[in-house]
Amino acid sequence: GDSVTQMEGPVTLSEEAFLTINCTYTATGYPSLFWYVQYPGEGLQLLLKATKADDKGSNKGFEATYRKETTSFHLEKGSVQVSDSAVYFCALTPNSGNTPLVFGKGTRLSVIA
Amino acid sequence: NAGVTQTPKFRVLKTGQSMTLLCAQDMNHEYMYWYRQDPGMGLRLIHYSVGEGTTAKGEVPDGYNVSRLKKQNFLLGLESAAPSQTSVYFCASSLAGVDGELFFGEGSRLTVL
Repeated sequence: GDSVTQMEGPVTLSEEAFLTINCTYTATGYPSLFWYVQYPGEGLQLLLKATKADDKGSNKGFEATYRKETTSFHLEKGSVQVSDSAVYFCALTPNSGNTPLVFGKGTRLSVIA
Repeated sequence: NAGVTQTPKFRVLKTGQSMTLLCAQDMNHEYMYWYRQDPGMGLRLIHYSVGEGTTAKGEVPDGYNVSRLKKQNFLLGLESAAPSQTSVYFCASSLAGVDGELFFGEGSRLTVL
């Protein structure tokens, strides 16, 4: 079945460091890809998405590019802030039917001042 | 705009007791979902609904039942709670289709002793 694999955490960075969180997927067809973020004590919220190959999703300084050739959707940010400390989830929806989102296990990011 | 509201937010149960988690959304969304979040496991789909009066099983449905009698409400029931059901439960809704952004509630923390 369809699945998402993302890098194990936790990731600890200093403020203004560059962030990459790796995400690869396995899916038949052409899935849509998402990054969701969960801040402490809250539910998840959509950070960005891409619906076809080579699309780049971006929001709040975060970016991710849908790479069909490498089946990847890595999350990047050039300069992280303490307020970016959260758990980040990569997810996909299959191309067909009404099958709901499949989430990765999440990567916890801690940014220290 | 309340969005997605879950009640209760915290609950402690003894093994064998029953309870119902209520999810209410005020966005007129067709799709609703129940996920559980466990350390190291990410989010796993329990049940979901693609419209009033419909329900479907997700990845981990055993031990849970759901009902969607009204479009705005999605109930998750535990008939006989077990310690393995100790988790944080998240409800989510989306407008339509699997590409739609999911809106999450703040979560319900359930402990089964």
